[in-house]
Amino acid sequence: SAVISQKPSRDICQRGTSLTIQCQVDSQVTMMFWYRQQPGQSLTLIATANQGSEATYESGFVIDKFPISRPNLTFSTLTVSNMSPEDSSIYLCSVGDRRPNEKLFFGSGTQLSVL
Amino acid sequence: GQSLEQPSEVTAVEGAIVQINCTYQTSGFYGLSWYQQHDGGAPTFLSYNALDGLEETGRFSSFLSRSDSYGYLLLQELQMKDSASYFCAVRDQSYGQNFVFGPGTRLSVLP
Repeated sequence: SAVISQKPSRDICQRGTSLTIQCQVDSQVTMMFWYRQQPGQSLTLIATANQGSEATYESGFVIDKFPISRPNLTFSTLTVSNMSPEDSSIYLCSVGDRRPNEKLFFGSGTQLSVL
Repeated sequence: GQSLEQPSEVTAVEGAIVQINCTYQTSGFYGLSWYQQHDGGAPTFLSYNALDGLEETGRFSSFLSRSDSYGYLLLQELQMKDSASYFCAVRDQSYGQNFVFGPGTRLSVLP
């Protein structure tokens, strides 16, 4: 299993500003995933972050809006840029288990409210 | 593309058995997972089925039929603490082997 520390746990931000979310894993992992979960909704994958390469973004998500860093095998950040109220959501980082990636472990999430 | 369907809500009483169904459409199926999420919490892994049949883990069991593109999560001896949202998720080759999550089923357990 993996233990994931994610911070901040919540934040209230003004429109037009940016917020960086940090995710620290207690073991080295190849891939880290960033999800968004809007209130009462399911989880949507934003991007997959591999160490040493650019993140791979899913349809509807772009690097300019959600830049991701992955400086080493235990850490990643997601920035939500130029925020609007539509970005209010829970953001979750996640990693897969080592063998055939059958399960995902999630951080505790960042609840973001944009005013 | 991928699509998954689950009932939006299920209600049951303590001690009962409840089944949450999940049907899916994918173009490169690897496996079906189930996750539990309490209000305000993170999703936690419950089970993974890659092959047809039933997997049992304590009070929870998960079933998969690949030919029917169908699976279910069975919760037995329901407890109040089982009140949560339950998501099925498909691991899909066409999605970079990543997981696509279903819409979720909110389970309410009544005393």
